[in-house]
Amino acid sequence: NAGVTQTPKFRVLKTGQSMTLLCAQDMNHEYMYWYRQDPGMGLRLIHYSVGEGTTAKGEVPDGYNVSRLKKQNFLLGLESAAPSQTSVYFCAIVPLPAVTEAFFGQGTRLTVV
Amino acid sequence: GQNIDQPTEMTATEGAIVQINCTYQTSGFNGLFWYQQHAGEAPTFLSYNVLDGLEEKGRFSSFLSRSKGYSYLLLKELQMKDSASYLCAVYNAGNMLTFGGGTRLMVKP
Repeated sequence: NAGVTQTPKFRVLKTGQSMTLLCAQDMNHEYMYWYRQDPGMGLRLIHYSVGEGTTAKGEVPDGYNVSRLKKQNFLLGLESAAPSQTSVYFCAIVPLPAVTEAFFGQGTRLTVV
Repeated sequence: GQNIDQPTEMTATEGAIVQINCTYQTSGFNGLFWYQQHAGEAPTFLSYNVLDGLEEKGRFSSFLSRSKGYSYLLLKELQMKDSASYLCAVYNAGNMLTFGGGTRLMVKP
């Protein structure tokens, strides 16, 4: 989606390694969300942010940390990766409260071995 | 907490009409989203309902009843390319945007 860049697209980690996923936008929206999606399942909310310097826990926050130091960037960190964190990760940007469009990053496919 | 329910799978015929239902329970409802997701791709936005009633957008329409905790997505003149998962998501007063499990729609010739 135009205006949303999610990096990296693919990554393989060993158990115990750390990594950071980046969601960057050029649209100046406040609300940003991180999700994970396991095979054949819906999206589960990990953490979210409603503005620069703010973050909040979602449905499945354990094992993840986030930061929103700049409005344009929302980072998701795995401090010590576990095989259970193998998933596809999506960031979402939603121009709430007046929504005529909403955006997802292209996803990060993470495998932890 | 929140609870969002959708049927897991549906099958319909090309050219037909299909209705995908979503029921929800949440504290402090603000709005309801529908997204489409093709296999291996990111979700794409279809609609956002805040007020009760039907909103039409081309072949797709979305309905909301806040008092019943109920929404549906109506797809008309089904095409093969409509085979995808359809995701219902609720935005609540705590600014959380929570998804249901999704409905996988298969369109057959």
